[in-house]
Amino acid sequence: AQKVTQAQTEISVVEKEDVTLDCVYETRDTTYYLFWYKQPPSGELVFLIRRNSFDEQNEISGRYSWNFQKSTSSFNFTITASQVVDSAVYFCALEPLTGTASKLTFGTGTRLQVTL
Amino acid sequence: GAGVSQSPRYKVAKRGQDVALRCDPISGHVSLFWYQQALGQGPEFLTYFQNEAQLDKSGLPSDRFFAERPEGSVSTLKIQRTQQEDSAVYLCASSPDPGTHKTRGNIQYFGAGTRLSVL
Repeated sequence: AQKVTQAQTEISVVEKEDVTLDCVYETRDTTYYLFWYKQPPSGELVFLIRRNSFDEQNEISGRYSWNFQKSTSSFNFTITASQVVDSAVYFCALEPLTGTASKLTFGTGTRLQVTL
Repeated sequence: GAGVSQSPRYKVAKRGQDVALRCDPISGHVSLFWYQQALGQGPEFLTYFQNEAQLDKSGLPSDRFFAERPEGSVSTLKIQRTQQEDSAVYLCASSPDPGTHKTRGNIQYFGAGTRLSVL
């Protein structure tokens, strides 16, 4: 069975602060994919990043960066110099390579509130 | 191009009514997924189609839930005899790849969902 834990239910920061969203996962699979999605108030989930279990390189995309540590089963997401537009619910998700379909197991999400 | 479109955006049903939720995936996308998202929770997988074939329905919570994709494009999720516990947002996602063993890790593109409230 797969499990994704996002222990932070809600985080509030002031604009321009850095913020890290934690994600810890459990899987018996040795190969898998990890994702981060953003859910703004409009409701649709917006893809942010995908990482496969073979690639432990950290990644930076603009103000976003991701720290994947297989040894601790964590895939944390950092927003540098946060902006009001970053306010949303962020989901971490896991997809194992076993099974019949590319179905995602999501965490419960972290609501990020960025204020002026 | 157009994204994944879901209708209606909001649906209020009386307990015991049947409802039908529609999903228009991105044109040409092979894979289609339905997820259920309860309030304050992450989406949970319901079912998966590869073209018109329903390859995985392991997440459907009961036999009151039924999904179809007869021509491999538009999909409908039907819930019969709705119960209060069915109240949730139902999300549809599509992906261009078939999601076979060799093509995993596909990005899923989500619609805005249908919020179902059962009174």
